[in-house]
Amino acid sequence: DIQMTQSPSSVSASVGDRVTITCRASQDISNWLAWYQQKPGKAPKLLIYGASTLQSGVPSRFSGSESGTDFTLTITSLQPEDFGTYYCQQANSFPVTFGQGTRLEIK
Amino acid sequence: QVQLQESGPGLVKPSQTLSLTCTVSGGSITSGGYYWTWIRQRPGKGLEWIGYIYNSGSTYYTPSLKSRVTISVDTSNSQFSLRLTSMTAADTAVYYCARAVWELHPRFDSWGQGTLVTVSS
Repeated sequence: DIQMTQSPSSVSASVGDRVTITCRASQDISNWLAWYQQKPGKAPKLLIYGASTLQSGVPSRFSGSESGTDFTLTITSLQPEDFGTYYCQQANSFPVTFGQGTRLEIK
Repeated sequence: QVQLQESGPGLVKPSQTLSLTCTVSGGSITSGGYYWTWIRQRPGKGLEWIGYIYNSGSTYYTPSLKSRVTISVDTSNSQFSLRLTSMTAADTAVYYCARAVWELHPRFDSWGQGTLVTVSS
């Protein structure tokens, strides 16, 4: 199975800050990576797919990038509603696997 | 906009079989390019993909659960189902159904609200 390792495991930031979350794949996954946001008690919400394509309706302060097997989710100008846990997911090969999550707290 | 809704028992006894159903509305379950998926999340843990089914009936399951899992589809009722046998406490989780888009870049673009299944005697 392809292992997806996220860092940091948790982050605390203030409104207006820029936040970066990284996901590293254990092997090449091309750009078959998606990012999700999950709030407590809710289902995950798709933010980005294809490593950098913004899902329809997602604010433009969210962006994604890739460098080899390292993928980055960036939130510019953090908003209060951005709290939650963020997951990366690969589907380059089966089984589909997710990162362990990064918990984002608003200071 | 497509909506998904899970239904099924919230409590299952050890060794029993779990059966969950996901009802799809606002879109056709027979539309091409979509794979109907089950994902679970153990309490306080991350997401685990269980498997998917296409409207043709073709399936793919995660290897760790393959011997115990069956996903089926009922296109006439716009539903797909999960069956997981020999349940143990380790299967206690929130179970989500989701729609997967597999063209170009696979992603899960629509999710049900999730249903908590507890395994306990």
